[in-house]
Amino acid sequence: GNSVTQMEGPVTLSEEAFLTINCTYTATGYPSLFWYVQYPGEGLQLLLKATKADDKGSNKGFEATYRKETTSFHLEKGSVQVSDSAVYFCALSDHDYKLSFGAGTTVTVRA
Amino acid sequence: EAQVTQNPRYLITVTGKKLTVTCSQNMNHEYMSWYRQDPGLGLRQIYYSMNVEVTDKGDVPEGYKVSRKEKRNFPLILESPSPNQTSLYFCASRGTGAQPKQETQYFGPGTRLLVL
Repeated sequence: GNSVTQMEGPVTLSEEAFLTINCTYTATGYPSLFWYVQYPGEGLQLLLKATKADDKGSNKGFEATYRKETTSFHLEKGSVQVSDSAVYFCALSDHDYKLSFGAGTTVTVRA
Repeated sequence: EAQVTQNPRYLITVTGKKLTVTCSQNMNHEYMSWYRQDPGLGLRQIYYSMNVEVTDKGDVPEGYKVSRKEKRNFPLILESPSPNQTSLYFCASRGTGAQPKQETQYFGPGTRLLVL
């Protein structure tokens, strides 16, 4: 079956540091890949997505590239802010009606 | 404003007392889904619905029921809650474009449930 593995957190960074969150997946077909973000006390919202191999999703300074050869979709941001403190979820959609999520990575950015 | 709403946001109940968590979306989406979020496990799908009167089990359906009588509403029913259903619950919806697996899901704000 499909599965998503994320690096374990929590991750604590200083402002302006570089952030990487690793994500690898297992899928039987050709999935779409997503990063969702959950700010404290809120629901999940889409951060970025990529729908085919070598696509790069980007939003709010975050980027992730769909790497089929390594089955990965790592999230990166070059200079984090305190407002980036959140829980980040990697997810894939292969079957038409389901999102499979990773366990989530908690990121705390300190001023 | 396009949104998914859930009620209540917080709920404390006792074992065996039936409860319903409501979910409503105003985006005319066909597809709706319920997830539970538990530490270290991410989000797991409970039930989903592809359209009115069409529902199916997700990964963890035991102890839950759903119904889809109207397109905008998708309530989650716990007929006899147990402590292992203490969790954070999210409703989500998305449209059905030409490539459903590429569609973004829109999530409600969550319902935190404590079963004593």
